[in-house]
Amino acid sequence: AQSVTQLDSQVPVFEEAPVELRCNYSSSVSVYLFWYVQYPNQGLQLLLKYLSGSTLVKGINGFEAEFNKSQTSFHLRIPSVHISDTAEYFCAVSLNTGFQKLVFGTGTRLLVSP
Amino acid sequence: NAGVMQNPRHLVRRRGQEARLRCSPMKGHSHVYWYRQLPEEGLKFMVYLQKENIIDESGMPKERFSAEFPKEGPSILRIQQVVRGDSAAYFCASSPGTGREWNTEAFFGQGTRLTVV
Repeated sequence: AQSVTQLDSQVPVFEEAPVELRCNYSSSVSVYLFWYVQYPNQGLQLLLKYLSGSTLVKGINGFEAEFNKSQTSFHLRIPSVHISDTAEYFCAVSLNTGFQKLVFGTGTRLLVSP
Repeated sequence: NAGVMQNPRHLVRRRGQEARLRCSPMKGHSHVYWYRQLPEEGLKFMVYLQKENIIDESGMPKERFSAEFPKEGPSILRIQQVVRGDSAAYFCASSPGTGREWNTEAFFGQGTRLTVV
């Protein structure tokens, strides 16, 4: 079975600073990897995904994540955070066969201060 | 193109009542997923449906919970005889049934927040 670990439940950061949100997964088979963002009282929005190919995945607004197979990690990096990036960030995996049955981590709350 | 629509956004039920949560997938999407988010936790998969078929319900509680996705109309998640522990946010997601990356494109609705009092 797959599992996802997000060790940091909360990450405080000042505006315009860089930040890395950590995600580790375990799986005995190949998986797809995803980062979702959830703003207060909203649904989840897909930020970026890794399916195959280049291990560095770039999303909107400068967000990027790097797949590291040997460390089974898929950390999210934001080069310069904005107040509006304050949200809950979820890492998720799904098997690369069949339908998208996502297994989520417990989330990391990013708190951006001025 | 409207996104995934869920209603109601908030639902309050007394213990023992029934809760019905609705989900209209994005236009052109024929696959629906339901997830539950308990307080301070990540989302947990409940069920995956295609039109008129339940494909995977491995995450559904064995009792009181059921889901359907009829040929016409929205998908319904039904919880009978609700208990306090059912209080959670329930999210629906949809994906297209075809296309190169159909099985990696799940779009989420805004969720229904169920409170059992």
